[in-house]
Amino acid sequence: GQQLNQSPQSMFIQEGEDVSMNCTSSSIFNTWLWYKQDPGEGPVLLIALYKAGELTSNGRLTAQFGITRKDSFLNISASIPSDVGIYFCAGLRAGGTSYGKLTFGQGTILTVHP
Amino acid sequence: NAGVTQTPKFRVLKTGQSMTLLCAQDMNHEYMYWYRQDPGMGLRLIHYSVGEGTTAKGEVPDGYNVSRLKKQNFLLGLESAAPSQTSVYFCASSWTVWQGNTEAFFGQGTRLTVV
Repeated sequence: GQQLNQSPQSMFIQEGEDVSMNCTSSSIFNTWLWYKQDPGEGPVLLIALYKAGELTSNGRLTAQFGITRKDSFLNISASIPSDVGIYFCAGLRAGGTSYGKLTFGQGTILTVHP
Repeated sequence: NAGVTQTPKFRVLKTGQSMTLLCAQDMNHEYMYWYRQDPGMGLRLIHYSVGEGTTAKGEVPDGYNVSRLKKQNFLLGLESAAPSQTSVYFCASSWTVWQGNTEAFFGQGTRLTVV
């Protein structure tokens, strides 16, 4: 099945550093979503993107919908220990056989050292 | 605010046993999904529904069945559990594609172990 390629798979950073992760696909998506999952919890939405080229911020988080509609990026500035978790990208296509289905990336495991 | 509620939260099954996982949402969402999460695999779609009375297969549907008899509920059934179905199962719901905001909201997960 269609999967998004998310990278990196894991990151170990020092508190205060900036973080970047991305998702790419061979297919075009109409919506890009970024989620964070804390241990033992379900994913929680961080940012939603609906237009190619859109750049959206949520506090220290910034995400962009790639112009080609085949990729998206998430940046976290000045990381803090509570940023630890798994970050997922998800894409939605509105047509064809994938109608209505969200496709997820494999996740990026973020570890922040104090 | 309940959002998406999954029951049970934990379950241990013996191989060959059956069970049903229940997902309930109170946001009047049309779309509902069942995912499984395994280490290094991310979230994989099992089945989904685009409205009451409809279901469709996702990426990994084998060994599972679903039903959406009521708009607010989406049931995931395992007829004969296998160890390969040991996983964490997440339910999610969202508005339709054509209603603009299509963010999916997730339940807290069901940790299933098949021995």
